[in-house]
Amino acid sequence: GAVVSQHPSWVICKSGTSVKIECRSLDFQATTMFWYRQFPKQSLMLMATSNEGSKATYEQGVEKDKFLINHASLTLSTLTVTSAHPEDSSFYICSARDSGAGDAYGQYFGPGTRLTVT
Amino acid sequence: GQNIDQPTEMTATEGAIVQINCTYQTSGFNGLFWYQQHAGEAPTFLSYNVLDGLEEKGRFSSFLSRSKGYSYLLLKELQMKDSASYLCAVLDSNYQLIWGAGTKLIIKP
Repeated sequence: GAVVSQHPSWVICKSGTSVKIECRSLDFQATTMFWYRQFPKQSLMLMATSNEGSKATYEQGVEKDKFLINHASLTLSTLTVTSAHPEDSSFYICSARDSGAGDAYGQYFGPGTRLTVT
Repeated sequence: GQNIDQPTEMTATEGAIVQINCTYQTSGFNGLFWYQQHAGEAPTFLSYNVLDGLEEKGRFSSFLSRSKGYSYLLLKELQMKDSASYLCAVLDSNYQLIWGAGTKLIIKP
């Protein structure tokens, strides 16, 4: 159980275009999902916390108008990178917290999406 | 501020034992996690400690001392496939995961 999927697994886009990444919890409900970014040889950096039915909470320094997050259902959150630039090239990972797990027993990670902006 | 420290890199020999340490200073504590991350992949859950003591799970064990703000991950009978980064993360008072920078473990034959 506790499987999280991401789509696409990798994407190449041109500078100035937008890219949408989907994160789904396949066998559990997730009221809270998290979006991380990881640059090569660096640790995970939390970008935002997404709560179903409400606005996402962004970490300091993350532009909410550039990284649009929509958590429309208990099993789906999307991250849209708008007007992408080469410096947005990174590994984007989502994770989900199982709403039915009681005391928040950690996060389940999706496989990640590697974004390359040319 | 919140801070989690772990060594940047460690090297060990196949078949040996290695201990990866993690010290933390966070606003509240609701548990400590260890994750394994292979290059180019997402982290996978290894262990969770919320009470003091040692949790053993096969070749991997995790220890926690809350009074010392200290944990370690012990890997026994090292295999080449254990070469990865090991991330220590603490669940703070807001149930937010605070991540360490990770320890890159290199296994040599």
